[in-house]
Amino acid sequence: SQQGEEDPQALSIQEGENATMNCSYKTSINNLQWYRQNSGRGLVHLILIRSNEREKHSGRLRVTLDTSKKSSSLLITASRAADTASYFCATDRNNFNKFYFGSGTKLNVKP
Amino acid sequence: EPEVTQTPSHQVTQMGQEVILRCVPISNHLYFYWYRQILGQKVEFLVSFYNNEISEKSEIFDDQFSVERPDGSNFTLKIRSTKLEDSAMYFCASRAVDRGGYEQYFGPGTRLTVT
Repeated sequence: SQQGEEDPQALSIQEGENATMNCSYKTSINNLQWYRQNSGRGLVHLILIRSNEREKHSGRLRVTLDTSKKSSSLLITASRAADTASYFCATDRNNFNKFYFGSGTKLNVKP
Repeated sequence: EPEVTQTPSHQVTQMGQEVILRCVPISNHLYFYWYRQILGQKVEFLVSFYNNEISEKSEIFDDQFSVERPDGSNFTLKIRSTKLEDSAMYFCASRAVDRGGYEQYFGPGTRLTVT
């Protein structure tokens, strides 16, 4: 079964606009993490939110978690061209030994 | 800031050859992971390693794969007899073991090309 599915698959916005990406998952989790990946590069950890948290901020990033709906969202405010990347959520399915990634949202921020 | 490092950045090998991918996790981390990402696809979990043994492995991690922590710093992934379908980016990750340390930090990856 799929775990950690992001939508939309692709998002194109103008610099300065906000970008919202969503992640849905199927089973209970301990925590959910968001990562960024520039084309052909490694995964950069952005933020972790625990199952008992509802919202978390880090700079221009805001992550929410709704465990009743099994969903999370990542909001990037005042986007920049440098934010162009793929964004993935990863969930642990109550197992710290193993993390599941979604297919990602490809964000394009046009200057 | 400490980071996970991986070598080589790109490895080209012929089908049937053995490859060893190397990783140096963040020094105070105790959980180690390998993931792979076939071009254009999801990042897939391969194996986790703690206290010198495998904690969990996926169905991808068959007998062709093995992991080792040969010394206090390196963590390696060996593929004994590579197949064309092993071509992918391989990512190493590590995390601390404490109340707050659930974040996994990834290395830059090794691009493995099997010809």
